[in-house]
Amino acid sequence: AQSVTQLDSHVSVSEGTPVLLRCNYSSSYSPSLFWYVQHPNKGLQLLLKYTSAATLVKGINGFEAEFKKSETSFHLTKPSAHMSDAAEYFCVVSGFKTIFGAGTRLFVKA
Amino acid sequence: NAGVTQTPKFRVLKTGQSMTLLCAQDMNHEYMYWYRQDPGMGLRLIHYSVGEGTTAKGEVPDGYNVSRLKKQNFLLGLESAAPSQTSVYFCASSYFGGGSSYEQYFGPGTRLTVT
Repeated sequence: AQSVTQLDSHVSVSEGTPVLLRCNYSSSYSPSLFWYVQHPNKGLQLLLKYTSAATLVKGINGFEAEFKKSETSFHLTKPSAHMSDAAEYFCVVSGFKTIFGAGTRLFVKA
Repeated sequence: NAGVTQTPKFRVLKTGQSMTLLCAQDMNHEYMYWYRQDPGMGLRLIHYSVGEGTTAKGEVPDGYNVSRLKKQNFLLGLESAAPSQTSVYFCASSYFGGGSSYEQYFGPGTRLTVT
């Protein structure tokens, strides 16, 4: 069976501080994992993806994620938040089928 | 290269009315998908297609029908709209589907309200 859990529905950070968005998954297969971002009233855009190469994946806009098989996690991080990072973020697991997490809304305070 | 486009962007229907949402992609992708997005529920797959002339049910197919007569187009139909179908609908496409490392490309969405 496959599932994906985003551990926080909302995360609030101050501009310039680190961002951590948490994602746990389960899969009977070796999955591909993705993070997408959705800005208000927009479609989803790919931030980064893991496809069994390097476990530390770098994406666009300074985001990165680390695949930890032992912890079945794929957390998204960014060293320093910008106001423009305020959006909703989705963790996605693709094994037998593709499953989206419920999303984490990131708020960035000035 | 327009990517994935959706028509219309907004629509208001009365209960019982019908409508068709059009999705088009110009990336020669095999797979296409229709999702609905509701607050706190992420994206839920309605129907998908693995190639021209094929369609399959997703997680929440009831009340919707789809067709893929041309590789670049994927239509979503509501035969008799209900208030529970008020949602934002997203179309997506990808080279391949589940189990692959190919990401999905999303359209801008259609906001549908059923009164």
